Amino acid sequence: GAVVSQHPSRVICKSGTSVKIECRSLDFQATTMFWYRQFPKQSLMLMATSNEGSKATYEQGVEKDKFLINHASLTLSTLTVTSAHPEDSSFYICSASFRDYEQYFGPGTRLTVT
Amino acid sequence: QKEVEQDPGPLSVPEGAIVSLNCTYSNSAFQYFMWYRQYSRKGPELLMYTYSSGNKEDGRFTAQVDKSSKYISLFIRDSQPSDSATYLCAMFPDGDTGRRALTFGSGTRLQVQP
Repeated sequence: GAVVSQHPSRVICKSGTSVKIECRSLDFQATTMFWYRQFPKQSLMLMATSNEGSKATYEQGVEKDKFLINHASLTLSTLTVTSAHPEDSSFYICSASFRDYEQYFGPGTRLTVT
Repeated sequence: QKEVEQDPGPLSVPEGAIVSLNCTYSNSAFQYFMWYRQYSRKGPELLMYTYSSGNKEDGRFTAQVDKSSKYISLFIRDSQPSDSATYLCAMFPDGDTGRRALTFGSGTRLQVQP
């Protein structure tokens, strides 16, 4: 099956610093990658959709200057949380697809901002 | 009203029971129907997908779609404690709607008691 990795799996950072999360599709080329945020016992909340080489499309209410997304290649997308604050603490999950309806998720990154 | 409705549970069953998980939806454009399983603090794992109406079977799992009722189901036979997880349904329309992301249900927490 299609494999998607995320790095790091867990990160703790101080308030005001920036954190970068990488998402890689390991055995397929992803035409589209997605970034989600998930709070405890809640469903996935889509943050943005990105295509290789173009700007990401952000969902309403998501600050694009705070959550920077770069989709540099068909196998790599990065999410940078800039000037992180405690309210940014969450579980961030990426997914990748080569067919729109068939998305494969990474294992997630738990971000804790102190 | 949400586009996809899913009972959050928790649903608790004894080991060996047949489990029925369900979602209803309102958007008649949905043609692809997916089921994901998410263990605690992990990314969702694609279990199976179905196109349009009908049944699809994979081992102990059977997915069923009834487009006339806008109702989809996932059946798990001979449930095991290892099936304890949150199950998310997801849907995607056919054709070019301009939207690339899946529409998810809120997820149902399943607990299989040994």
